[in-house]
Amino acid sequence: DIQMTQSPSSLSASIGDRVTITCRAGQIISNYLNWYQQRAGQAPKLLIYGAFSLHSGVPSRFSGSASGTDFTLTISSLQPEDFATYYCQQAYTHPSFGGGTKVE
Amino acid sequence: EVLLVESGGGLVQPGGSLRLSCAASGFIVSDNYISWVRQAPGKGLEWVSIIYSGGTTFYADSVKGRFSISRDDSKNTVYLQMNSLRVEDTAVYFCVRAPTITTNYDYWGQGTLVTVSS
Repeated sequence: DIQMTQSPSSLSASIGDRVTITCRAGQIISNYLNWYQQRAGQAPKLLIYGAFSLHSGVPSRFSGSASGTDFTLTISSLQPEDFATYYCQQAYTHPSFGGGTKVE
Repeated sequence: EVLLVESGGGLVQPGGSLRLSCAASGFIVSDNYISWVRQAPGKGLEWVSIIYSGGTTFYADSVKGRFSISRDDSKNTVYLQMNSLRVEDTAVYFCVRAPTITTNYDYWGQGTLVTVSS
């Protein structure tokens, strides 16, 4: 199994802030990295796939980047509906998820 | 509209069995890659199993030999048969779709809660 390490596990931010979440893969996964948002009491939603590509309907304030085995999700200007938990997931082999980052 | 609706969750004793169902609409399950992903209370996401469009199946080590994924193409439904259940299997079980072998999960069901407790 490929270990996915997310940081931080939680962060405190305000409306309008730029937020960055990092995910490190335990081995090379090319760009097979997805990001999901999970609001309280709801199922996760796909935000970004293939490390960079925005899923249909996702606001452009969300973006993804990659450098080797390090991946980053950036929210350029935090909105009220963005307070949620974010998960990375590698799709290189059988899926594995990061531990999550709660934005509060 | 793509929909995934899970059912079959509930309370079961350790060692017991349960079968979850995932009824799909808006797409054909046999043309897609359907997984089960679970989330223990207050915890993160854990991949459980997948069935490929061609019928090949895979399992996480934590459930291998105990869980079995299958589908009924006539009902456009995927199942997860869970045997020898353990307390640590307690979780919300989500049915999720990936349109290709690359597991970009674009649609998720609302989840069904499985509680294993005596």
